Amino acid sequence: DIGMTQSPDSLAVSLGERATINCKSSQSVLYSSNNKNYLAWYQQRPGQAPKLLVYWASTRESGVPDRFSGSGSGTDFTLTISSLQAEDVAVYYCQQYYSTPFTFGPGTKVDIK
Amino acid sequence: QVQLQESGPGPVKPSETLSLTCTVSGGSISSNYWSWIRQPPGKGLEWIGYIFYSGSTDYNPSLKSRVTMLVDTSKNQFSLRLSSVTAADTAVYYCARVNDSGNYIDCWGQGTLVAVSS
Repeated sequence: DIGMTQSPDSLAVSLGERATINCKSSQSVLYSSNNKNYLAWYQQRPGQAPKLLVYWASTRESGVPDRFSGSGSGTDFTLTISSLQAEDVAVYYCQQYYSTPFTFGPGTKVDIK
Repeated sequence: QVQLQESGPGPVKPSETLSLTCTVSGGSISSNYWSWIRQPPGKGLEWIGYIFYSGSTDYNPSLKSRVTMLVDTSKNQFSLRLSSVTAADTAVYYCARVNDSGNYIDCWGQGTLVAVSS
């Protein structure tokens, strides 16, 4: 199985400030034949189901605000919220879909400072 | 807009079988892979497995001996059966759609809490 880790476990950011979440996979999730990273990010607001934010490590899902951006390649990835809004309070998960069993990171909780 | 809704009989006793159904509306089940994911209270997400509309499956090895997934294209539904449950199987169970261009989850059900208790 590909292990996923995230850092930090939680962070508190002032409204309008930047939030950065890191995700690391135990092996590369970059598929050389198509040069795509099989890495997604999800947002889970309190009491709700997860919601897809980013796939292929950096492609924003339709309808997701452009303050959310994904970057990275291979084994190291980052989700950035450029200007935190109140509705961004949530737990954020990364997930690799390179190989089964697909695995999720443990989550990063984002709060308002 | 595809929507997914989980349904099931409610609490399950230890050693019994957990059964859930996911109804797909707003689109056909006869495309895409369809997945089950669970989340114990206060914890992270665990991929249980997925099923294609043809019936082919791939299960998480950690659960494989206890999991069965089926699809019913006539009802636009797919289902999960998890046998010999224990308290460790208490979780919110989500059904979800796997995107057809990559195996990420692009649509989630609202989830249903299944408690395992005597």
